[in-house]
Amino acid sequence: NAGVTQTPKFQVLKTGQSMTLQCAQDMNHNSMYWYRQDPGMGLRLIYYSASEGTTDKGEVPNGYNVSRLNKREFSLRLESAAPSQTSVYFCASEGLADNEQFFGPGTRLTVL
Amino acid sequence: AQRVTQPEKLLSVFKGAPVELKCNYSYSGSPELFWYVQYSRQRLQLLLRHISRESIKGFTADLNKGETSFHLKKPFAQEEDSAMYYCALTSLYNTDKLIFGTGTRLQVFP
Repeated sequence: NAGVTQTPKFQVLKTGQSMTLQCAQDMNHNSMYWYRQDPGMGLRLIYYSASEGTTDKGEVPNGYNVSRLNKREFSLRLESAAPSQTSVYFCASEGLADNEQFFGPGTRLTVL
Repeated sequence: AQRVTQPEKLLSVFKGAPVELKCNYSYSGSPELFWYVQYSRQRLQLLLRHISRESIKGFTADLNKGETSFHLKKPFAQEEDSAMYYCALTSLYNTDKLIFGTGTRLQVFP
């Protein structure tokens, strides 16, 4: 099993450009999450999806949209990138059995 | 307010020294506490959780409800323990989001 996969690993955007970060999991987990990791700020939740077909805002949703395409996939979209969105983005998934989250390798995004 | 506080951004010790990474929390219900670790160039992964009461890689953490703390301890640090450590909490009985602290970077010098 690959676990949680993310693409791309690295991305550089110019201010105002748009892009979609992809995340997929093969563990049949119901819940999926998008976080951003910034120095001194820890991991902050952007959006999450408790099950297929549902999405909810987290702590820092402004400037982002998400799509829970199916049970496996949960994408994060930046419609108009801003330098403040320069960060490392992590996707995670969690099964019903317990509260452990499994993380992807991360996407390092730089917005110029 | 639900909150996890890790007061130290950086903790530096020499190999063989004891380590204690502090974590305090504020939570209105019954919490479940975790420590996650991120080694260099690796993904974030679960280190241990309070309900399992296990020792993982020599690390232990005891939930102290009176002091609302969940400090991570290891009696003798190793160089391979150098990593970023995050304390996190969620509800013990209900499905809820994980709340992370800001993280502590542990550096273990030879």
